Amino acid sequence: GAVVSQHPSWVICKSGTSVKIECRSLDFQATTMFWYRQFPKQSLMLMATSNEGSKATYEQGVEKDKFLINHASLTLSTLTVTSAHPEDSSFYICSAVQGANHEQYFGPGTRLTVT
Amino acid sequence: DAKTTQPPSMDCAEGRAANLPCNHSTISGNEYVYWYRQIHSQGPQYIIHGLKNNETNEMASLIITEDRKSSTLILPHATLRDTAVYYCIVRVEGDYKLSFGAGTTVTVRA
Repeated sequence: GAVVSQHPSWVICKSGTSVKIECRSLDFQATTMFWYRQFPKQSLMLMATSNEGSKATYEQGVEKDKFLINHASLTLSTLTVTSAHPEDSSFYICSAVQGANHEQYFGPGTRLTVT
Repeated sequence: DAKTTQPPSMDCAEGRAANLPCNHSTISGNEYVYWYRQIHSQGPQYIIHGLKNNETNEMASLIITEDRKSSTLILPHATLRDTAVYYCIVRVEGDYKLSFGAGTTVTVRA
């Protein structure tokens, strides 16, 4: 099956700093990638849809200036959490759609802890 | 707002079949039923999907009722590694967005 990777798998940063998380489709080209956030004991919540070469579409309530998404190539999307605060601590998961195939493949997730 | 209803949790014995129900009474004719699972601290994993016919793959079987208002995911021989949260999601063909509900926490016991 298709493989999606994320880097880093976990990161600890200080409040006020910015953190970049990478999402890569390793063996396929992904025209669309998604970013999710998951708080402890909760379900995944979609943050934004990222299409290669265009601006991301953010879900209601997600601050686009705080969560910067770049999808510069068909195999890479990045999420930058700017001016991170402790309440941004969460599990961030990306997914990628493989062309016309309906299946959505998920990365392993990145655990962000802001101190 | 999730369009599916699942029991919050269920236990099953290792080696036995696990039957996971899902209600989707408002499903539209062009909406598929998808199942994903999430093992603790990992990203979700695709299991199976279907429109109206029953489907089977190496992981599971999906049984969809004739009126399509409910479905059952069957793990034929549950193992301890099947312990996870299982999500039933309905999705329109061509719309890649997935809306995750609370899912069913399945615990497989030895």
